Amino acid sequence: KAGVTQTPRYLIKTRGQQVTLSCSPISGHRSVSWYQQTPGQGLQFLFEYFSETQRNKGNFPGRFSGRQFSNSRSEMNVSTLELGDSALYLCASSEKPLISGNTIYFGEGSWLTVV
Amino acid sequence: GQQLNQSPQSMFIQEGEDVSMNCTSSSIFNTWLWYKQDPGEGPVLLIALYKAGELTSNGRLTAQFGITRKDSFLNISASIPSDVGIYFCAGQLTQGGSEKLVFGKGTKLTVNP
Repeated sequence: KAGVTQTPRYLIKTRGQQVTLSCSPISGHRSVSWYQQTPGQGLQFLFEYFSETQRNKGNFPGRFSGRQFSNSRSEMNVSTLELGDSALYLCASSEKPLISGNTIYFGEGSWLTVV
Repeated sequence: GQQLNQSPQSMFIQEGEDVSMNCTSSSIFNTWLWYKQDPGEGPVLLIALYKAGELTSNGRLTAQFGITRKDSFLNISASIPSDVGIYFCAGQLTQGGSEKLVFGKGTKLTVNP
């Protein structure tokens, strides 16, 4: 079955703009979680959605938001972009919510550059 | 927040050598996951561990979930050039009623042919 699909793979935005990233989970997976990866901070958890509800949230400002649709596809939005938002944004999916005993699969990521 | 201390940060080895890396924490984890990430790609799951003391193999890879539930190691035997990449550990834990996934900073592996 197809893996986790993220679009777009690469994008460049200007400071102050907003961006929307999309993630299609593995078929049958209802949990989608988002992560930011930078050289300095490594992988950091943004938030998790399960059955269209946000279950968990990391320590990121309110400019970072997301949603999940009834088909489990998810979008992540970052408003008022800052230079420090430049990063690889990874989406991961799993069958169950982000709970113990769950296996999480990542997509290839969306590279965001803010100039 | 929770910290996962992953070591070593980088390794330079010769093809055929064995490799060992580990992650430790002061927090107790319920699940450990090991991933490999190639440049420009997303992490790929290598091994998942669900029980304290569990030892699991996947080909030349072996990982163990520490008895204390605060650590895990990953071994790669007889390394080959395609093992090059960054290896991450990730731990799932419950805190304050919510589930969290915490990552190590990664171990960058270079294999010289």
